[in-house]
Amino acid sequence: DIVMTQSPDSLAVSLGERATINCKSSQSVLYSSNNKNYLAWYQQKPGQPPKLLIYWASTRQSGVPDRFSGSGSGTDFTLTITSLQAEDVAVYYCQQYYSTPDTFGQGTKLEIK
Amino acid sequence: EVQLVESGGGLLQPGGSLRLSCAASGFTFSSYAMSWVRQAPGKGLEWVSAISNSDDTTYYADSVKGRFTVSRDNSKNTLYLQMSSLRAEDTAVYYCAKADSSGFFYAGWGQGTEVTVSS
Repeated sequence: DIVMTQSPDSLAVSLGERATINCKSSQSVLYSSNNKNYLAWYQQKPGQPPKLLIYWASTRQSGVPDRFSGSGSGTDFTLTITSLQAEDVAVYYCQQYYSTPDTFGQGTKLEIK
Repeated sequence: EVQLVESGGGLLQPGGSLRLSCAASGFTFSSYAMSWVRQAPGKGLEWVSAISNSDDTTYYADSVKGRFTVSRDNSKNTLYLQMSSLRAEDTAVYYCAKADSSGFFYAGWGQGTEVTVSS
């Protein structure tokens, strides 16, 4: 199974500042035949199901604010939230869907400093 | 709008069985693969099982293989998870999720149903 490791486990950022969350996969999730990274990011708030933010590593889901962006390729990926808002407080997960079982990172808890 | 509504959760003893259901609406259910993802209390997300749109291919996490069975009834727009030989470590909120047509990432999630296995 592909192991997904996120860093840091928790993060406190001031309102209006940038938040950066990293995700590393134990093997590449880049599929060479279509040059796509099989990597997604989710946001989960307490008592709610996860919400898809980013797929194919950098494609923003419809309706997601443009302060959320994804980058990276191969085994190293980043979720960036520019200008943090109070409503961004949540746990963020990366997920690889390159191979079955699809696997999630352990989560990164984002709080306001 | 995609709607997924899980049901069937509850409290049961180790070794027991339970069937979860997920009623889907707002999309052509028969066209999409579906998955079950669970979340133990205070823990992260764990993929459990998936089924192709046509019901001919199923997938399971090693932790549930041989104990859980995923199925679907496209005529009823419903996904199922039959769970047996339940263990304390199966305690979790179980979410059904709609896979995208191009890959197993999930834009649609239910609110979840809670399963507690305890003596």
